[in-house]
Parts: sequence; structure tokens; C-alpha cells
Amino acid sequence: GAGVSQSPSNKVTEKGKDVELRCDPISGHTALYWYRQSLGQGLEFLIYFQGNSAPDKSGLPSDRFSAERTGGSVSTLTIQRTQQEDSAVYLCASIQGGAGETQYFGPGTRLLVL
Amino acid sequence: RKEVEQDPGPFNVPEGATVAFNCTYSNSASQSFFWYRQDCRKEPKLLMSVYSSGNEDGRFTAQLNRASQYISLLIRDSKLSDSATYLCVVNLYGSARQLTFGSGTQLTVLP
Repeated sequence: GAGVSQSPSNKVTEKGKDVELRCDPISGHTALYWYRQSLGQGLEFLIYFQGNSAPDKSGLPSDRFSAERTGGSVSTLTIQRTQQEDSAVYLCASIQGGAGETQYFGPGTRLLVL
Repeated sequence: RKEVEQDPGPFNVPEGATVAFNCTYSNSASQSFFWYRQDCRKEPKLLMSVYSSGNEDGRFTAQLNRASQYISLLIRDSKLSDSATYLCVVNLYGSARQLTFGSGTQLTVLP
């Protein structure tokens, strides 16, 4: 079956512009995560959606970052007024249900802010 | 101190060697532990979960030491295809909220 997909795969933008990153989780997976991975670094948790519950936004680094998940499926991560330090790989992962389950990652979006 | 800490390496080992990685975690109440593998410019993929009694999957053995708060991954008879970054992952707070990822240990298996 289809895995997690993300688009675009690569995005180059100018400082100050807004960007939208999209994630299509595995069908039927109720939980969705966004992470950020800078070069040579581990994954940094950004936000978590579980079913219809309010998202856990505790990892978002600033109010320039926001995310939504429509219809319990597709999610969009928006970065407003991008800065050079936002350059990273943005990874989306989904799991079927609760804690301790395997996270299935998408291929990521490589964002470069010039 | 990082919540999940790994030796970044790199570990460069010859084919056929045995190599072991350790990972320490900060919360003694953590319940779930995993090793993920990440190939260069690819997404992380689950390698194996780590169970309290230790577990083995072919050439890979994972162990948990709760008293010292670390998990380990042992790779026997290394293959060239084992070259990757190995990420230690811990559910630190026992909720579905998030897993905490270590920065990874880079392994290169040399011919």
C-alpha cells in the first residue's frame, strides 16, 4: 500500500517568504507528526495530531510556524516570513494509533531559505 | 544533558566486524525504546523495538539496561549495506505525544 507522501520534495525560497509543506499520511492512520531535521542533527519534534483532539503544538519553535490537519488526513505545515535558520528537512510521520507504535516517515521536504 | 544521547561516531569498521552502539536516556520512567535506521538523505525507518528482556533479529541484537538508563544495539558480521546512521528513539514520557530521537550514530562498513 501507499506510504506517507510529502510535497514538495525540495523547496528553495527567499528569506521573508511564506512556504507550505504538505503531508499525506498512510490511509487510516489516526496520528500524524511533523519533525525538523537540520544537517547532521537528530529529529526535532514540531507538532502532533491525534484524531479529533487538539494538536500538541509544544515543539513549534516560533509563532511563524503553524500546522493544520484537514479531515483527519492531509496536513499542511506553514512557515511564515521564513528565515535562513528554517533551512532543514521537514519530515512527516504517521502511526495507526497509540503510544509505542512504529512511526512511518515520509521522504521529507528539503527546505532551503536563501 | 540531552534527553537522549548517542555517540555520533563515525564508526568505521571492516566487513564482518561486530560493532555496538549505546544510547543513554534521561527519564528513568521511560517505557518504549526503538532503534531506527536512516540512510543518507532518506527518511528514518524502524530497525527494531527494544524489549526489556532484550531481543534479536538476525544479526542485530538490542538490549535495555534500566538501571543505567541505556539501550544498546549490537550488529554482528557487518555488511556494506549496514552503512547508515542509527537513531536511538525513546518514548520518554509514556504518551503518544512524541518520541524523542537521538542525534544518531554514523556507521560506515568498509570493504
